Amino acid sequence: AQKITQTQPGMFVQEKEAVTLDCTYDTSDQSYGLFWYKQPSSGEMIFLIYQGSYDEQNATEGRYSLNFQKARKSANLVISASQLGDSAMYFCAMRERSFNKFYFGSGTKLNVKP
Amino acid sequence: DAMVIQNPRYQVTQFGKPVTLSCSQTLNHNVMYWYQQKSSQAPKLLFHYYDKDFNNEADTPDNFQSRRPNTSFCFLDIRSPGLGDAAMYLCATSRDGEREEYFGPGTRLTVT
Repeated sequence: AQKITQTQPGMFVQEKEAVTLDCTYDTSDQSYGLFWYKQPSSGEMIFLIYQGSYDEQNATEGRYSLNFQKARKSANLVISASQLGDSAMYFCAMRERSFNKFYFGSGTKLNVKP
Repeated sequence: DAMVIQNPRYQVTQFGKPVTLSCSQTLNHNVMYWYQQKSSQAPKLLFHYYDKDFNNEADTPDNFQSRRPNTSFCFLDIRSPGLGDAAMYLCATSRDGEREEYFGPGTRLTVT
């Protein structure tokens, strides 16, 4: 079974609007971390936000927030007030405590329209 | 600034000609990773070093090797590149394999 599922290959959003990128995960570990990365066309992977499995509050970093629903095993990224520079590929990833590596989703390509 | 550096950013090699990609880091992280990423796909982990311990992914071809002479440097050697090895190669680091990984800018490899 896939560890991380991103069901939206591509998304469009109007500049200044909010957008939600979906991510569901599969693990039997009690301790794990969830991450979102942004990858512009230049190729560098930029870390955006982290959510620990034991964190009760949803993580927030500036315009990014992570909507963590543990029972549903979802970790959606919300970008508020979209900017043209947000156009990029976005990857959801998970690290289980028992394995020292990331599992990446297939990514969502976000296009912000002026 | 502390960072992960990859050289070169672009590399062109000939079919079958060995090539080495390099990665260095100033973060003093003990874990270093090499990923291969093909167009419109997620990064695929090739292997990682936890301190000096080398961990190969089961499906990484033997054509790919790695060296880590010290904490700061890690190399990816492709012994006989094929056309299918053309990709972006990303190096990443983390502290103890916890929390986020810090990625370098990548090396885009072209095989002619």
